Amino acid sequence: AQSVAQPEDQVNVAEGNPLTVKCTYSVSGNPYLFWYVQYPNRGLQFLLKYITGDNLVKGSYGFEAEFNKSQTSFHLKKPSALVSDSALYFCAVRGTGRRALTFGSGTRLQVQP
Amino acid sequence: GAVVSQHPSWVICKSGTSVKIECRSLDFQATTMFWYRQFPKQSLMLMATSNEGSKATYEQGVEKDKFLINHASLTLSTLTVTSAHPEDSSFYICSATYRDSNNSPLHFGNGTRLTVT
Repeated sequence: AQSVAQPEDQVNVAEGNPLTVKCTYSVSGNPYLFWYVQYPNRGLQFLLKYITGDNLVKGSYGFEAEFNKSQTSFHLKKPSALVSDSALYFCAVRGTGRRALTFGSGTRLQVQP
Repeated sequence: GAVVSQHPSWVICKSGTSVKIECRSLDFQATTMFWYRQFPKQSLMLMATSNEGSKATYEQGVEKDKFLINHASLTLSTLTVTSAHPEDSSFYICSATYRDSNNSPLHFGNGTRLTVT
């Protein structure tokens, strides 16, 4: 079975400050890891993915994520937050042999001006 | 590229009626589509995997006779909620991948908010 944990329901950060949204995972075999963002009453937008290679993955809108195999983590980061980054963020994992994604519970990011 | 269109974006129906939700991949062929359900302030729960030309694979606890899935072509999958009840009210989201590969991301439709009165 595969699972994802996002320990924070909400993260608050001031505009211009760095942000981190945490994610840990459990999966059999090599993990395929993804981050998505959701705005109210909308579907999910793909931000970035880790498949293999460099542990630091760069994605859309200035976001990046760091894969840490020993800690089974894939935290989402951004050096300088924008108010427009305020949204719901989901971490997801896909294990070997399973094509559907398993999502974490989501973290609401609130960036204050 | 990789646009997934979902229709309708919202629907209100009466108990006992059926509602059909369409999911289309506009600029790519999707051999597999996935249907998720999202309750308020909760994560996405996979309902079923829809394969073109074959029967859908349902997750444990999802009633296949309640949630009928048809994947008639490489660009269209439909979810029909039959004999809807208020507890079926939810946000339904479809997704598709354009490569038959584990490392390709899923692309999501904008979701359908179903309210059953």
